[in-house]
Amino acid sequence: NAGVTQTPKFQVLKTGQSMTLQCAQDMNHEYMSWYRQDPGMGLRLIHYSVGAGITDQGEVPNGYNVSRSTTEDFPLRLLSAAPSQTSVYFCASSYSGGSYGYTFGSGTRLTVV
Amino acid sequence: AQTVTQSQPEMSVQEAETVTLSCTYDTSESDYYLFWYKQPPSRQMILVIRQEAYKQQNATENRFSVNFQKAAKSFSLKISDSQLGDAAMYFCAYWGNNNDMRFGAGTRLTVKP
Repeated sequence: NAGVTQTPKFQVLKTGQSMTLQCAQDMNHEYMSWYRQDPGMGLRLIHYSVGAGITDQGEVPNGYNVSRSTTEDFPLRLLSAAPSQTSVYFCASSYSGGSYGYTFGSGTRLTVV
Repeated sequence: AQTVTQSQPEMSVQEAETVTLSCTYDTSESDYYLFWYKQPPSRQMILVIRQEAYKQQNATENRFSVNFQKAAKSFSLKISDSQLGDAAMYFCAYWGNNNDMRFGAGTRLTVKP
C-alpha cells in the first residue's frame, strides 16, 4: 500500500542512548518532515527536507539529526536521548510543500527513562 | 512566526447533532492554506478538509464544512450529523511560505450516543 511507513511504532530508551527512527514513503514525494506531538502543544516541526540532499531545521531541532540521501527515506536520529524527548513522533510527506496537506506515518511513541 | 490557536481543549456533542470547533491564526501573509486534521485513538493523522486563503468560498467535504473568515483570521470546522466515529482529536493547521505547517494544540471531541 502506498503511503508513509514509520518504524518502530513504540520504543523505550535509556537516557544517553542513541537511536534512529525510520521513515520511508513510496509516493515519490519531494517534501518530507518530522514532527513531535506533545500534550497541549499540538505538533511541532523538528526537521524537514525539500528533496534528496537538502535538509533544514524546524522549530525544535536540538538533539535531533537528519539526512536525506534518497527521495524515499528520511531517518531521524536522536543523538543522546533525554527525558524531554519523550513524545510521539510523526513523519509526513507531500508532493510539493504542504499546500495540499501532508500524508502522515502512523507515528512512533518514544519514552526516554 | 505564524501561530494557530484552538481555544477549546474539549468539546462534546450528541450523536446526530451539529458541533463547531474553533480555530484562529495569526499571520501577515496574504497567500496561505488552512487545514483540519483528525486524529482518532489509532493515532493516525487524517486530513479532513482544506481551504485556500485566496478562495472566499468555504470548503465542504460531506458532513464537514468550514467557516473561513479571512479578515478575522478565523477558521472553524462544523461537523453535521455527528457520528460515533467522529470522536477524535482535531487539529487546525496553517501552511504559509516558510516550509513549516503550524498546528494548534488540538480539540478533543467526544460524541455521546
